[in-house]
Amino acid sequence: GESVGLHLPTLSVQEGDNSIINCAYSNSASDYFIWYKQESGKGPQFIIDIRSNMDKRQGQRVTVLLNKTVKHLSLQIAATQPGDSAVYFCAENPRTGTASKLTFGTGTRLQVTL
Amino acid sequence: NAGVTQTPKFRVLKTGQSMTLLCAQDMNHEYMYWYRQDPGMGLRLIHYSVGEGTTAKGEVPDGYNVSRLKKQNFLLGLESAAPSQTSVYFCASSYSGYEQYFGPGTRLTVT
Repeated sequence: GESVGLHLPTLSVQEGDNSIINCAYSNSASDYFIWYKQESGKGPQFIIDIRSNMDKRQGQRVTVLLNKTVKHLSLQIAATQPGDSAVYFCAENPRTGTASKLTFGTGTRLQVTL
Repeated sequence: NAGVTQTPKFRVLKTGQSMTLLCAQDMNHEYMYWYRQDPGMGLRLIHYSVGEGTTAKGEVPDGYNVSRLKKQNFLLGLESAAPSQTSVYFCASSYSGYEQYFGPGTRLTVT
């Protein structure tokens, strides 16, 4: 079936560097994508989202890029800080049925080294 | 404004026992969801609700039941717990059905 996946399970980045977390999706009908951050022992926390009619969206220190041609999503974190260490999930809304449901990837662990 | 809260935070059950997990949200959201999260896997949708009095099956509904008698509450029930239901359970709510806000989770162990 359709699924959302990630290229790298673990990403190690030095403090102050930029981080890029990638995500591949397979459902070309998806119209909405979202990134979550999950710290150990906590629930997922919203970071940023993007609709399919956009290819870039910026937040505070974060940017999401959407390439519909190759069905690829990325999250860029500028000037990575120790507090950014967490598991990051991408998710898509496949627009099946009348209610919006999200399909989640398995996650990428970001480790920030000092 | 507490957001999404879950009760209890931890629970240990014996095989065959039953229990109910409570999710409450104070954001007046229409949509509510129950997920389970297992090691190495993403969040999987168990059941969801698009409004008070409605429920629907998600990706992994077997062994679970839900009820949404009040808009702010979404209950997840396990009638006869099995070790395969050992997991971390997350509740989420959404205003539009897109951006979802998650609770802190319930860690359930079934022995």
